[in-house]
Amino acid sequence: GAVVSQHPSRVICKSGTSVKIECRSLDFQATTMFWYRQFPKQSLMLMATSNEGSKATYEQGVEKDKFLINHASLTLSTLTVTSAHPEDSSFYICSARDLGSTYNEQFFGPGTRLTVL
Amino acid sequence: GDSVTQMEGPVTLSEEAFLTINCTYTATGYPSLFWYVQYPGEGLQLLLKATKADDKGSNKGFEATYRKETTSFHLEKGSVQVSDSAVYFCALRNFNKFYFGSGTKLNVKP
Repeated sequence: GAVVSQHPSRVICKSGTSVKIECRSLDFQATTMFWYRQFPKQSLMLMATSNEGSKATYEQGVEKDKFLINHASLTLSTLTVTSAHPEDSSFYICSARDLGSTYNEQFFGPGTRLTVL
Repeated sequence: GDSVTQMEGPVTLSEEAFLTINCTYTATGYPSLFWYVQYPGEGLQLLLKATKADDKGSNKGFEATYRKETTSFHLEKGSVQVSDSAVYFCALRNFNKFYFGSGTKLNVKP
């Protein structure tokens, strides 16, 4: 089946630094990728929809200048958490939509755990 | 707006017990319904799905039937194993957006 990878799997950084998380579709092309955030013992919340070659669409309440999204190719989207603070610590999960699948399936990455000290 | 409600956990069962995790949804149009499983420290893995009313999704002994009349998609398994211990998320997809339930943690004891 289709595989989505994320890098890094976990990252620890100091407050005020920026962190970049990569999401790759390994064996299919994805014009659309999605970024989610999961707080401990809670569900996934959609942060933004990443569109290849155009600006991302952010959900209400998500700061676009805080969470920069770039979708420069059909297999790669990046999420950069700028000037990270401890409250940004979370599990970030991406998904990619396979247009070649029967039902435009979405496949999820394994997640990236961000800890901001 | 669209939303998913699932039973709160944790659910603790003995091995070989019967499992039901309730899930109901609210949505406009004709959503697809999913169950995902998340093992500790990992991302979500698709467990099963149903794309239209009365469809039954099944995988690894788990089943769920898309009931439009009751807007439900309850997850069932006849005999759980210790390896089934994980967090289970019910989700719907509508207009290419996913909406997740809050997750139900399942603990299966030997």
